[in-house]
Amino acid sequence: AQTVTQSQPEMSVQEAETVTLSCTYDTSESDYYLFWYKQPPSRQMILVIRQEAYKQQNATENRFSVNFQKAAKSFSLKISDSQLGDAAMYFCAYRSALAGSEKLVFGKGTKLTVNP
Amino acid sequence: SQTIHQWPATLVQPVGSPLSLECTVEGTSNPNLYWYRQAAGRGLQLLFYSVGIGQISSEVPQNLSASRPQDRQFILSSKKLLLSDSGFYLCAWRSGIGTQYFGPGTRLLVL
Repeated sequence: AQTVTQSQPEMSVQEAETVTLSCTYDTSESDYYLFWYKQPPSRQMILVIRQEAYKQQNATENRFSVNFQKAAKSFSLKISDSQLGDAAMYFCAYRSALAGSEKLVFGKGTKLTVNP
Repeated sequence: SQTIHQWPATLVQPVGSPLSLECTVEGTSNPNLYWYRQAAGRGLQLLFYSVGIGQISSEVPQNLSASRPQDRQFILSSKKLLLSDSGFYLCAWRSGIGTQYFGPGTRLLVL
């Protein structure tokens, strides 16, 4: 079974600085999707960024980018120019690309604090 | 654009009482639908998913059940709630490109 590990329970960053959140995963599959979700205090899960495993290019969404290292099974999230609104729990998630695979496997999350 | 609704937003129920949580999606047809539960300080656990009307797959055997009476409606139910059913319940739908989008969630407290 696939597993997702987020080794940093909590992180903090100064406003306008850059922070990187770590995520590693374990799978024997070659085709899959990886996601970062943000969960603010409202607790709604909001998609931040997604990466297809077959793509070598790292995904980027405005101030958010990933460092996808397929061989190392690593998928870190970099937040640039951190803003107060970035404070939230961040979850890394994996989903197999096999037909019929519906399950998103989540890590336990990293709580990000942004200091003014 | 697509939107997903959940109600109620918050629910406090006594042990042994029934439960019905509703999720509806707008702006899409034949979506895949999902129910997740998040215990305090934990990640999300998939409970049920549905790929079509009347089709329900269970990921975790438990005190809960799910139904999909209409294309864009997904219901989570229980006949008798347990204390351990307390948590935050999230409904999600999946787009054709594989990304799951989540609703606002329901906070359930069983006393």
